Amino acid sequence: GAVVSQHPSWVICKSGTSVKIECRSLDFQATTMFWYRQFPKQSLMLMATSNEGSKATYEQGVEKDKFLINHASLTLSTLTVTSAHPEDSSFYICSARDPVRGSPLHFGNGTRLTVT
Amino acid sequence: GENVEQHPSTLSVQEGDSAVIKCTYSDSASNYFPWYKQELGKRPQLIIDIRSNVGEKKDQRIAVTLNKTAKHFSLHITETQPEDSAVYFCAASISGEYGNKLVFGAGTILRVKS
Repeated sequence: GAVVSQHPSWVICKSGTSVKIECRSLDFQATTMFWYRQFPKQSLMLMATSNEGSKATYEQGVEKDKFLINHASLTLSTLTVTSAHPEDSSFYICSARDPVRGSPLHFGNGTRLTVT
Repeated sequence: GENVEQHPSTLSVQEGDSAVIKCTYSDSASNYFPWYKQELGKRPQLIIDIRSNVGEKKDQRIAVTLNKTAKHFSLHITETQPEDSAVYFCAASISGEYGNKLVFGAGTILRVKS
């Protein structure tokens, strides 16, 4: 069964609004979670590393003020796309690794964001 | 930073034939190399992985080989079946401040023709 749960699975929003995506580890505590973005027919690009109790680490070129990440507990990380624009439409996927068991990386089901 | 290159971008094989996908990585410190299969609109699923202390690993019809010196690793699928059709991604794990993060290759669209 799924060990990483992501919600919502899809969302449509209007340009200028904000959207929050949740990522939960179901049977382990994840001090670190990773957020990826995947455009159609492209690879998964790491956006940021979410760290429980501290600030997220963003990859080069990813705007931290636009993609707000909060990792308030050991089982929940949220990604908020602020002031969304059509170019933000993409497939957002979170992932986490059980630190006790180690690899592999478990992925959530992903969130298909469409900004109109 | 780490760079992972993957070839070919598309691969068509006849059912029953073998398929090989190759990847190279740039960071010699990378020590974990997973392969993922992704079907349209779904999350990537791990199919096999290999660590840098092993040269080859096999799981039924799937095998992965690693050449640390050349910094390349390959996925081998034998006796391909139509349900093997999907996008395959290789990845390399590099150490970050908060744990190892994966860098993915560009992906290979595998089509198995029956």
